[in-house]
This record gives sequence, C-alpha cells and structure tokens, in this order.
Amino acid sequence: SQQGEEDPQALSIQEGENATMNCSYKTSINNLQWYRQNSGRGLVHLILIRSNEREKHSGRLRVTLDTSKKSSSLLITASRAADTASYFCATPGGQGGKLIFGQGTELSVKP
Amino acid sequence: SAVISQKPSRDICQRGTSLTIQCQVDSQVTMMFWYRQQPGQSLTLIATANQGSEATYESGFVIDKFPISRPNLTFSTLTVSNMSPEDSSIYLCSASPLAGPYEQYFGPGTRLTVT
Repeated sequence: SQQGEEDPQALSIQEGENATMNCSYKTSINNLQWYRQNSGRGLVHLILIRSNEREKHSGRLRVTLDTSKKSSSLLITASRAADTASYFCATPGGQGGKLIFGQGTELSVKP
Repeated sequence: SAVISQKPSRDICQRGTSLTIQCQVDSQVTMMFWYRQQPGQSLTLIATANQGSEATYESGFVIDKFPISRPNLTFSTLTVSNMSPEDSSIYLCSASPLAGPYEQYFGPGTRLTVT
C-alpha cells in the first residue's frame, strides 16, 4: 500500500525557478527519504531526513520535515533542465529496511 | 554506496513464458529488494530477498508467480513466471548497505513487455 501522498502530481517550471514538492504520510516514522528517477531508469537516493531533524540541505536541495503534520517538502532551487525527472518520497515500511514510496511528482524544467 | 547492475535491461516476451532477471551488487549488502513499477506509476515492493532463505513477499505477490533466489550477499534473481500482458512493467532491484539507516541503492531496472 502507498503511505506517501505527493503533490503536485506534475509540475512544470522554467529553468532558474524554484520547484517545491510535498509529501504527506500516515504513520509515525523515524526517517523520510527522497529519490529521483530519470525517465525509465533506476532511482537515485537524494537525501534522508531523520524524525528529529526539521530541515536538511544538500547542494540545491532543501528538505523539511514536520512530524506533527506528517508531511515533508523538497525544494529544488535554481532549477536546471537536467532536474527534469520524477521525484518520490519514501518512508520506512516496517521491519527489515523496507520502504514505501509515494506516488511521485513529475517535474519538467523547461530551458 | 553500492553499484547495482541488472540483466537484461529490457526484454519482450510471449505470454505463458518465464523470464529471470539478475541483480548484481558490487559490495556485500544486508538487504535486497525487488520492486515493480507499472507504466506511469510508483514503485510497489514485491518482496525482500533474504540471503540463504526464502524471500518475504508483500501482500498480493506469491512465490509461485515471482520466485526469488539470493544465494549470497551480492546476487539475487527474480523470475516472472507464466507471464501475461499485465506483467508488463519495469522491475527494479535495490539494496541496502550493511549498516543503517536503510537508504536504498537501485539498479537501472529491467523493462519487460509481454505480448
């Protein structure tokens, strides 16, 4: 079953603009992860934020986590055409390191 | 990090046949997983491949349809059996390193089309 609900489902912006994607989840978690998937390829791990962290940065990526609202956001600043991809949030799915992925946001960055 | 390769990268198969997908990791990992991604959809976990024992399947997936092997800490196979067009998907292998916190590294996927 899908734990994460992401919005928007699709986002189209111009190069240089910022892109914000949101993820909501249902159960308590100890961490939340974001992944990127270029068309038809495998997923690439972007960032992991733990439940005791509110914000984390990695290059042009900024992730926030609000455990009281069970939500997270991924901000990509100064977007580039190469950022065009699908972005998924993922939360732990119980024992053994399983992950449950959200529905994803399809980002299109136009040059 | 871990580098994961999958073979084949894509295949077109006839209904009723079976396909075995191989997943190779360049380092020892604790956990290996198999996912299915149907066109335009998110990832759905099929099973956790356990080293030296039977895989743990998620609800809706059964061993007879998706037998999985994991003979060692770096290799796993997924077989899609008695295929139908509904099995047309991308199949992805992933792995988690020996230590937590359970970030996963993904293979490039196998794009399967069943005619």
